[in-house]
Amino acid sequence: EDKVVQSPLSLVVHEGDTVTLNCSYEVTNFRSLLWYKQEKKAPTFLFMLTSSGIEKKSGRLSSILDKKELFSILNITATQTGDSAVYLCSGGSNYKLTFGKGTLLTVNP
Amino acid sequence: NAGVTQTPKFRILKIGQSMTLQCAQDMNHNYMYWYRQDPGMGLKLIYYSVGAGITDKGEVPNGYNVSRSTTEDFPLRLELAAPSQTSVYFCATQLDVTNSPLHFGNGTRLTVT
Repeated sequence: EDKVVQSPLSLVVHEGDTVTLNCSYEVTNFRSLLWYKQEKKAPTFLFMLTSSGIEKKSGRLSSILDKKELFSILNITATQTGDSAVYLCSGGSNYKLTFGKGTLLTVNP
Repeated sequence: NAGVTQTPKFRILKIGQSMTLQCAQDMNHNYMYWYRQDPGMGLKLIYYSVGAGITDKGEVPNGYNVSRSTTEDFPLRLELAAPSQTSVYFCATQLDVTNSPLHFGNGTRLTVT
């Protein structure tokens, strides 16, 4: 059975802090790892990672994949209150994306 | 540009009732999915479809049925609703199963009492 484990499950930081969210996976026929941000409603896409060691960046967010050790990290620098959300990680194989339970990030002013 | 539209947004059902959750997309994506999200539990795949006329079970299909008669629509049917089906349901579409992300609707919050 495919498995995706995220840590920590929740995190409280102050504005300006840097955070690292972790995602480990065991996915048969692994194709890609995806990160999503979920506020009140639908998850919104952040990154798709398919190759080891290649960092993807978008503003203050960045992510990298290690296919040998089967994990990914999502970094957020200079956090803002608008970064408060649940961050979901998913491992994809063919038609099935397996999601982790998410990390609840709270950024206090 | 509507994207993925789910209706209704909220619904309360009594135990044993039936209902259909609607999902419509205008992105011409072949791949469509139904997920349920319980508090603190991530997203669990219920059913998926790779194109009109083709559906298959996901991780948690019991108590649900789907159909896909057109590319645009992928309704999820609940027969004999049970309290265990209280959840938030998300429909999602995907252009390419290997190289593109899921696009989610805004969800349907269902309560069964």
